[in-house]
Amino acid sequence: DSGVTQTPKHLITATGQRVTLRCSPRSGDLSVYWYQQSLDQGLQFLIQYYNGEERAKGNILERFSAQQFPDLHSELNLSSLELGDSALYFCASSVAPPGSGANVLTFGAGSRLTVL
Amino acid sequence: AQSVTQLGSHVSVSEGALVLLRCNYSSSVPPYLFWYVQYPNQGLQLLLKYTTGATLVKGINGFEAEFKKSETSFHLTKPSAHMSDAAEYFCAVTGAGGTSYGKLTFGQGTILTVHP
Repeated sequence: DSGVTQTPKHLITATGQRVTLRCSPRSGDLSVYWYQQSLDQGLQFLIQYYNGEERAKGNILERFSAQQFPDLHSELNLSSLELGDSALYFCASSVAPPGSGANVLTFGAGSRLTVL
Repeated sequence: AQSVTQLGSHVSVSEGALVLLRCNYSSSVPPYLFWYVQYPNQGLQLLLKYTTGATLVKGINGFEAEFKKSETSFHLTKPSAHMSDAAEYFCAVTGAGGTSYGKLTFGQGTILTVHP
């Protein structure tokens, strides 16, 4: 157990639907990162939060959004789902803020999304 | 900007043989380099990292990697493969500066198969 908790582990939904993925970071970690892992794109950085504030954006679609709450858990919202959104979505956390050095990211087990 | 190229999407070795997984990076700033391992249905686990200092880095499970700036490489090795090493391995880079801290850019991954 890495200490990063992601729910749900598996999710099957239909095209056009909206889902929310949840992440609880490791105790004491203030930074949360979201990654998407798919067969064709590999591991792609989506978005990063530090202590409730968005700090960096990667290849995140406009249909996707995220936030980090005061208790530091984070949610990734995926809407108007398409077949191509089927992937494994990872959350990672780290204790250090951006700019402080070589962060070591601790990953959760992922949420596998299947869009039918 | 950073990028990572892992040479060989699949590597197969016999138990007890040398493991060599190749990684080349591109970075416009001094890089921080990482190797992560992903076992089936699990998240990514840090094997080792290079930040500054000694260019030969030792990690968990007997793995090590050497940072070679002149070759822009960070190859992962293990003298003797074990069946339990079978997994997918990811090389990753982040830049030593700005908002790139912590935002890992991953290679496409190398699946390691170990034969008895």
